[in-house]
Amino acid sequence: DAGITQSPRHKVTETGTPVTLRCHQTENHRYMYWYRQDPGHGLRLIHYSYGVKDTDKGEVSDGYSVSRSKTEDFLLTLESATSSQTSVYFCATRGQGAMNTEAFFGQGTRLTVV
Amino acid sequence: TQLLKQSPQFLSIQEGENLTVYCNSSSVFSSLQWYRQEPGEGPVLLVTVVTGGEVKKLKRLTFQFGDARKDSSLHITAAQTGDTGLYLCAGGGDSNYQLIWGAGTKLIIKP
Repeated sequence: DAGITQSPRHKVTETGTPVTLRCHQTENHRYMYWYRQDPGHGLRLIHYSYGVKDTDKGEVSDGYSVSRSKTEDFLLTLESATSSQTSVYFCATRGQGAMNTEAFFGQGTRLTVV
Repeated sequence: TQLLKQSPQFLSIQEGENLTVYCNSSSVFSSLQWYRQEPGEGPVLLVTVVTGGEVKKLKRLTFQFGDARKDSSLHITAAQTGDTGLYLCAGGGDSNYQLIWGAGTKLIIKP
C-alpha cells in the first residue's frame, strides 16, 4: 500500500481562523491532489500538484491555497475558515506514466468549522 | 466539462441478491476505474478498464467498459454483507493528472 498520511485526522476550528492540513507520502509519486467529500457530491478536486512548486486549481479552489515544497509533502490551507468548508478532506497521489493510473488515498481529515 | 453520473445513488438489498451499478457520461474516457470506500477510510481501487467492451471479473464482481468508452457498469452476484460500502467510478482523461469522479453509489447489504 502507498504510504499516505494525513494530519490531523480530526479538527474543529472557529470561523475566520486559518487552518492547514498536511499530506505526506512515501511513494515518490509525482501527482498529489486535495479533494473534499460531501454527501451527494462525491469527490471534488480542490487543488492538485504535478511537481515540486507546481500546483493548479481544481473545481472548488475558492478559499483554499496549497503548497508543495518537497515531493513528499502537500499542504492545504484554508485561509479563513467558513462553515461551508466543513467537510472531509482527502489527499491522493498518483504515479507518472500510462501504467500508473491508480489513485492512492489517505484516510481523510474531518474538519468542522463552528 | 466532463461529467460522470452514477446510478443509483443509494441501494439497499438483502444478502444473496444481485445488483448492478451504472456510471454514465457523454464524454469518452481513456480509462475507467472503480473504487470502494468504507466509512472512515479513503477510496481503494478495485479495477481499471481501458479498452472499449472490456469485461473484468474480481470474484463476484463483474466490471464492464462500454464499447464507446463512455459508460461502465459494476455487477455484483450474490451480494454479501462485506460488500457494503460506497462505490465510486472515476474516468481518466488524456492527461495523467486528470480523474473525473462520479458522486458514488452507497450500497447496503442486509443480512
